Amino acid sequence: QQQVKQSPQSLIVQKGGISIINCAYENTAFDYFPWYQQFPGKGPALLIAIRPDVSEKKEGRFTISFNKSAKQFSLHIMDSQPGDSATYFCAASRGSARQLTFGSGTQLTVLP
Amino acid sequence: KAGVTQTPRYLIKTRGQQVTLSCSPISGHRSVSWYQQTPGQGLQFLFEYFSETQRNKGNFPGRFSGRQFSNSRSEMNVSTLELGDSALYLCASSSGTAGQPQHFGDGTRLSIL
Repeated sequence: QQQVKQSPQSLIVQKGGISIINCAYENTAFDYFPWYQQFPGKGPALLIAIRPDVSEKKEGRFTISFNKSAKQFSLHIMDSQPGDSATYFCAASRGSARQLTFGSGTQLTVLP
Repeated sequence: KAGVTQTPRYLIKTRGQQVTLSCSPISGHRSVSWYQQTPGQGLQFLFEYFSETQRNKGNFPGRFSGRQFSNSRSEMNVSTLELGDSALYLCASSSGTAGQPQHFGDGTRLSIL
């Protein structure tokens, strides 16, 4: 199975709050897990990525948590800002393949 | 460094026609991948080219094809267009080395009338 399941479909948080988006995968051969941010009219932009040998990776306000045994990973956005309002996609790929399998996306709205 | 450039940004075609989309990767990147984005199916992988050779292919009909030139620029062609082909077509480039990130262009919005 190549599927990546993403939740929630939409998320509304207050400015300064924490946004959490979850993804689950089935294919244990996946070994690269990026998160992308997409604004209307733009292509997806890489935010942060993680490999299964690391349980957590932090870049600024963005943190990926990875649970290999549960086959789940999540994106945490700390101190969420209105400018973070966008659609977020998790993805996965395996080995040397450049074929990304994407989650269905989460539309995040951060209220001022 | 310039990003991934896709042309044209918008395209309107009618059923049965064919279309060619173009992608110029980031300088030095040798891998170009194409994705289709629709509200119903989300982001789906079409194919990947590396050094002018198709290296991976997604689950799309043969009407979807592509090629890559010696300068790494890539084109995607869709023949006998159907209404369901209306989508945002995204191109992503990477160095081609395992685990290196893919960087996306802003896409070509294709509308089929």
